Amino acid sequence: EAGVAQSPRYKIIEKRQSVAFWCNPISGHATLYWYQQILGQGPKLLIQFQNNGVVDDSQLPKDRFSAERLKGVDSTLKIQPAKLEDSAVYLCASSSTGSNLELFFGSGTQLSVL
Amino acid sequence: QQQVKQSPQSLIVQKGGISIINCAYENTAFDYFPWYQQFPGKGPALLIAIRPDVSEKKEGRFTISFNKSAKQFSLHIMDSQPGDSATYFCAGGSQGNLIFGKGTKLSVKP
Repeated sequence: EAGVAQSPRYKIIEKRQSVAFWCNPISGHATLYWYQQILGQGPKLLIQFQNNGVVDDSQLPKDRFSAERLKGVDSTLKIQPAKLEDSAVYLCASSSTGSNLELFFGSGTQLSVL
Repeated sequence: QQQVKQSPQSLIVQKGGISIINCAYENTAFDYFPWYQQFPGKGPALLIAIRPDVSEKKEGRFTISFNKSAKQFSLHIMDSQPGDSATYFCAGGSQGNLIFGKGTKLSVKP
């Protein structure tokens, strides 16, 4: 089966610019996650969707980050305006149900904010 | 903040040796403890996982040892191979929310 697809693979922007990342989860996976992985650290959950509803966005910096999962399939994560400290790899993951904790990760989008 | 503390930060092992990575958690509500393996430029991939009702789980060369009273668990890689060179993350969680450790970079020398 196809894995989790993410694009773009790399993105370089100036601070205060906006950027968007796209994710298409594994077909049939109801739960979708966005994680932020700063260099040298483990992934940190930003937001979790169950179908098209938000389950947990407690660690999402809502003043600048937004995410949506229209129709309960693919998802977009946006940052506006970007800060230097947003430089990281943004990983999308999916799982088949909320109670099945095996996450399948995409390869991520590496963001550099200059 | 519910943390998962992982050590060591980096590890060098000779081919054929045993690699051991340790983790400690704080949240007693966690009921799922996975280990993920990440190669450069790739997302993490599930390696092996354990629930707190068992003390050990083995899959091939990979074993998780779990100590519920100490709130600690560890990954043992037997007969380590150069292809095992990667970054390993432990995690703890429940209800689909995983808290990851900071990772251990393993290098297996031929």
